[in-house]
Amino acid sequence: QKEVEQDPGPLSVPEGAIVSLNCTYSNSAFQYFMWYRQYSRKGPELLMYTYSSGNKEDGRFTAQVDKSSKYISLFIRDSQPSDSATYLCAMTNSGGYQKVTFGTGTKLQVIP
Amino acid sequence: GAVVSQHPSWVICKSGTSVKIECRSLDFQATTMFWYRQFPKQSLMLMATSNEGSKATYEQGVEKDKFLINHASLTLSTLTVTSAHPEDSSFYICSAEGTSGRNNEQFFGPGTRLTVL
Repeated sequence: QKEVEQDPGPLSVPEGAIVSLNCTYSNSAFQYFMWYRQYSRKGPELLMYTYSSGNKEDGRFTAQVDKSSKYISLFIRDSQPSDSATYLCAMTNSGGYQKVTFGTGTKLQVIP
Repeated sequence: GAVVSQHPSWVICKSGTSVKIECRSLDFQATTMFWYRQFPKQSLMLMATSNEGSKATYEQGVEKDKFLINHASLTLSTLTVTSAHPEDSSFYICSAEGTSGRNNEQFFGPGTRLTVL
């Protein structure tokens, strides 16, 4: 079993839709949770960074972490064609330098 | 701020040759840099962790004699793929640990696409 599971998609939605992206994980020691966006043939860029359980909102993006269920989500409101990319979840243990474990990424396509 | 560059962005080489990829943090100092490899439709796989002034730490299954990493300064790390073969063709991405104070925040370079003929 992989430490982090993420549906690879692809996920196609119409412009303006609410998008829900999810990851599950098995390591209960994970404390820091990130979402990265990666356009084709580019390096990932950090979208959201959260610590422990709870919600965090930044513009059209909302990240949720439920540590009891080992489940994290990224919601995108009013999705735009420019949101079309691969979204990677990532997580790590607490404190100092730790190896970051990535999900496989979900490919999202927002259709105009 | 927190910009990481990679050079070259794209390289094609013949089998058996060596290729060097540079990773630079442009506006911050990075004591720790990471090298990842990403195959099509797969996630980033950590190859090694590079600390300035010391030997790199390689992940299990990564040949340290094949993938030479040098972190000569706080802003530069290099990955040399020695005696490259077609199976080494991949997207190589580096990242640098940020100085924002947030644990484990990494800033990624744009990646280098290596094609070995």
